[in-house]
Amino acid sequence: EPEVTQTPSHQVTQMGQEVILRCVPISNHLYFYWYRQILGQKVEFLVSFYNNEISEKSEIFDDQFSVERPDGSNFTLKIRSTKLEDSAMYFCASSESTYEQYFGPGTRLTVT
Amino acid sequence: AQSVTQPDIHITVSEGASLELRCNYSYGATPYLFWYVQSPGQGLQLLLKYFSGDTLVQGIKGFEAEFKRSQSSFNLRKPSVHWSDAAEYFCAVGVGGGNKLTFGTGTQLKVEL
Repeated sequence: EPEVTQTPSHQVTQMGQEVILRCVPISNHLYFYWYRQILGQKVEFLVSFYNNEISEKSEIFDDQFSVERPDGSNFTLKIRSTKLEDSAMYFCASSESTYEQYFGPGTRLTVT
Repeated sequence: AQSVTQPDIHITVSEGASLELRCNYSYGATPYLFWYVQSPGQGLQLLLKYFSGDTLVQGIKGFEAEFKRSQSSFNLRKPSVHWSDAAEYFCAVGVGGGNKLTFGTGTQLKVEL
């Protein structure tokens, strides 16, 4: 069964450093998303991406965040200058059509 | 803005017992509704979804959910729980042009043997 994959599974970085989280969505999917889950809290929407542009973003997704689909298979989330409060589990998701999103296993980001 | 409420933070049931996890949403129109399950260290797995039509939907692993418009609810049920069902369960609502999902705070299910 096709699945969304994410790398790395765990990333540790120092405050102020740039990180890139990578995702490989399901191959025939057209919509891509990033969510995050701070430990003990709910899953929060960050951004959705379709047709090579952002279709919606949350208040969390400020200028420090960016997304890119650099080739036909990868979908990345970049945080330019990480802060302690960026520590969270980041989930990538993809969908073929509206709403039915399939999630990857997540990348745990720890900012020290 | 839309919101999702899962009033039960923790639920403990005995293996073989029935289960109902509650979910209420707040949204002007009928949203798209989902239940996801998250096992420890794992991602979110889609259990079932409701878009329209029959208000009782069947999902994977023997789960079902019923949409009740009058109560703005979408409760998840299972007639007989297995120890492997222990996990965290999230209700989610799909709204907005970007297809974003809004999640509830989750219900942690513990199954006693």
